[in-house]
Amino acid sequence: AQSVTQLDSHVSVSEGTPVLLRCNYSSSYSPSLFWYVQHPNKGLQLLLKYTSAATLVKGINGFEAEFKKSETSFHLTKPSAHMSDAAEYFCVVSDPSSGDKLTFGTGTRLAVRP
Amino acid sequence: DGGITQSPKYLFRKEGQNVTLSCEQNLNHDAMYWYRQDPGQGLRLIYYSQIVNDFQKGDIAEGYSVSREKKESFPLTVTSAQKNPTAFYLCASGLVAGGELFFGEGSRLTVL
Repeated sequence: AQSVTQLDSHVSVSEGTPVLLRCNYSSSYSPSLFWYVQHPNKGLQLLLKYTSAATLVKGINGFEAEFKKSETSFHLTKPSAHMSDAAEYFCVVSDPSSGDKLTFGTGTRLAVRP
Repeated sequence: DGGITQSPKYLFRKEGQNVTLSCEQNLNHDAMYWYRQDPGQGLRLIYYSQIVNDFQKGDIAEGYSVSREKKESFPLTVTSAQKNPTAFYLCASGLVAGGELFFGEGSRLTVL
């Protein structure tokens, strides 16, 4: 069975400082992994996805994530936070053993201080 | 513009009433999904459909029903059997199972 754990429910950073949102996964096979962002009272938008190609994945708005199989991690990073990055972020895993069903993490709320 | 439209954005319901949430997509996607979002719990799958006239229960289908009569439309009915229906409901569609999902802006249901 697949699962995903987002290690921090809340993260607070100052504008201009790096962002790190942590995600660990469990999967029987080589999974697909995604990061989505959700602004208040809105739907989710895809930031980036890993599907067994390059382990360092670049996404929109300057975000990137690195797939580390040995650590079963897929942490999301950004070199410099912007006020508009304040939102909730979801890590998602999918693998064929679960019928390609998507499993969502519980989310990390990112606050950006001026 | 291509996308997913959910309506209404806000809905209030009295206990014992059924309500139907609309979801329409013009992305020509075969797969459509309904998720429920509660604070601190992430997204939980209610129902999904991978083809017209076929749908499957997700993890929390009790008290909900769906139909898929057209490729573009996947309405969700929250029935009076749903014990705790107050939540944010999200509809999504995708080109292939297990791939990227495109989400609507959500419908917030409040039971009075």
